[in-house]
Amino acid sequence: DAKTTQPPSMDCAEGRAANLPCNHSTISGNEYVYWYRQIHSQGPQYIIHGLKNNETNEMASLIITEDRKSSTLILPHATLRDTAVYYCIVRGGSGNTPLVFGKGTRLSVIA
Amino acid sequence: DADVTQTPRNRITKTGKRIMLECSQTKGHDRMYWYRQDPGLGLRLIYYSFDVKDINKGEISDGYSVSRQAQAKFSLSLESAIPNQTALYFCATSAAGGDRAFFGQGTRLTVV
Repeated sequence: DAKTTQPPSMDCAEGRAANLPCNHSTISGNEYVYWYRQIHSQGPQYIIHGLKNNETNEMASLIITEDRKSSTLILPHATLRDTAVYYCIVRGGSGNTPLVFGKGTRLSVIA
Repeated sequence: DADVTQTPRNRITKTGKRIMLECSQTKGHDRMYWYRQDPGLGLRLIYYSFDVKDINKGEISDGYSVSRQAQAKFSLSLESAIPNQTALYFCATSAAGGDRAFFGQGTRLTVV
């Protein structure tokens, strides 16, 4: 699975959109981009995933560049409860490989 | 009740002791995983199992063993605990071909 690069930390004002970037320049054609988050020391929680089209669900939006070498997770209206570590993971489309976590981005939402 | 349950949630044990961490799930998933997390770091894969008869080593399997007793149960053992195995341990499950994993609440293990 391709490696990902994320900034170690970011701040966001409460109520504003949080835009979390991820680089995955070695992604291959059948690999998906997944986002999970970990609030404090709880178990990671799935947020969203995509292949090449932009995706949106009740939690977030995922924007993948046309060349698929990078993506951005958008939390449209960040709240204090969105403070967490966010992990961007690239994984084969077959789902036959376990998730491999990097260090993620620590997002701090500030009142 | 949680879909993925880990027991115990917290444990303090002495160096050299054998300890077992247990994981059970009610999601009916075939695939189960054990991860370890050290402070400030991401999760690292210890072992995983894609079905009852399948066991695979992950990135950091040395010093650990696992048992898949049933589809719903996956146990992690430390045969002789050492202090650098002090960490937060997570169990996870996913469906075959599924698009997401579900994690337990974690077991905080301290080896003194």
